[in-house]
Amino acid sequence: GAGVSQTPSNKVTEKGKYVELRCDPISGHTALYWYRQSLGQGPEFLIYFQGTGAADDSGLPNDRFFAVRPEGSVSTLKIQRTERGDSAVYLCASSPRDRDYNEQFFGPGTRLTVL
Amino acid sequence: DAKTTQPPSMDCAEGRAANLPCNHSTISGNEYVYWYRQIHSQGPQYIIHGLKNNETNEMASLIITEDRKSSTLILPHATLRDTAVYYCIVRNLPGGTSYGKLTFGQGTILTVHP
Repeated sequence: GAGVSQTPSNKVTEKGKYVELRCDPISGHTALYWYRQSLGQGPEFLIYFQGTGAADDSGLPNDRFFAVRPEGSVSTLKIQRTERGDSAVYLCASSPRDRDYNEQFFGPGTRLTVL
Repeated sequence: DAKTTQPPSMDCAEGRAANLPCNHSTISGNEYVYWYRQIHSQGPQYIIHGLKNNETNEMASLIITEDRKSSTLILPHATLRDTAVYYCIVRNLPGGTSYGKLTFGQGTILTVHP
């Protein structure tokens, strides 16, 4: 079946611009996660949704970052007033609620470059 | 979540077993050990997890010491496609306050050579 998909695969923007990154989770997965990964580092947690609500947004670095999941499936990560330090690969993952160990299935990521 | 320590890199010959160590000396009783790997330009992929007992699946085996302070991921017959960054992660059981997120370290870069 289809895995987690993310669009666009690459995004180049200028400092100060607004960007939206989209994640389509595996159908039926109720949990959705966003991470970002800088070069040479492991992924860093940003936010976790269970259904439509953010269960844990402790990883969002500041108020320029916001994520939504209005219908409990597709999610959008929104970054306002982008800065060069926001350049990274943004990863999305989803998992089914009923698994006791919560395996997360990752998408291929969106590479964001802020010039 | 408890902190993990892994060697930054390891090499393995194709067809041989790859044994990747992980130290998690501060692990608590309600924390699992998880392993994920990340092949270049892809998202991380779940491999295996365990609490106390050794575990095996179609991808790998996980050996956890009796005191649970360290573990070893074993790829029994490494192939070139196993070249990746391997992450050892400790996380709460379901229902824990930080249950949802995975906390990745820098992992071990495993290079399988012909």
